[in-house]
Amino acid sequence: AQSVTQLGSHVSVSEGALVLLRCNYSSSVPPYLFWYVQYPNQGLQLLLKYTTGATLVKGINGFEAEFKKSETSFHLTKPSAHMSDAAEYFCAVSEIQGAQKLVFGQGTRLTINP
Amino acid sequence: DARVTQTPRHKVTEMGQEVTMRCQPILGHNTVFWYRQTMMQGLELLAYFRNRAPLDDSGMPKDRFSAEMPDATLATLKIQPSEPRDSAVYFCASGLVASGGGRDTQYFGPGTRLTVL
Repeated sequence: AQSVTQLGSHVSVSEGALVLLRCNYSSSVPPYLFWYVQYPNQGLQLLLKYTTGATLVKGINGFEAEFKKSETSFHLTKPSAHMSDAAEYFCAVSEIQGAQKLVFGQGTRLTINP
Repeated sequence: DARVTQTPRHKVTEMGQEVTMRCQPILGHNTVFWYRQTMMQGLELLAYFRNRAPLDDSGMPKDRFSAEMPDATLATLKIQPSEPRDSAVYFCASGLVASGGGRDTQYFGPGTRLTVL
């Protein structure tokens, strides 16, 4: 069975500081990995995804994530936080083979301090 | 700009009442998912369909929940009878899985916020 662990349910950074949101996954088969963002009272929007190939993946709004198989991690980073980045972020995993269904982490709420 | 739409956006009802939530997937997508989001459980997959056929509904309480796709442009999630513990945000998502197995991103709708009193 697949699972996702997001370390830290709340992360707070200052505007302009580095954003680092941690995600570790467990999967018995090669995974597809995703980061989604959820703004208040909205649905989830895809930030970026890893399928195959390059392990450093760039997404929207200046975010990127690196797939590290040896560490079973897929941490999300952004060099300089902006106030508009305040939201909840979800890491998710799905199997390359078989069903397309996603298994989500518990989410990390990112707060940006002025 | 193609989007997944969901109706209603908000629903307040009393315990025991029937609730029906509707989802219109993105045109051309062949896979539809229903998720439930609560503070305690986070995001949980309830059911999903491919080419209108249910593939997995193991996450759904069978005694009161039912999910259908009457046609390719409409998916429904029904709760009968509803209970206070069903209060949550219900999301629909759609995606495209190619015949060769290639898969696309899941695109989420804005959700239906359900409150059962």
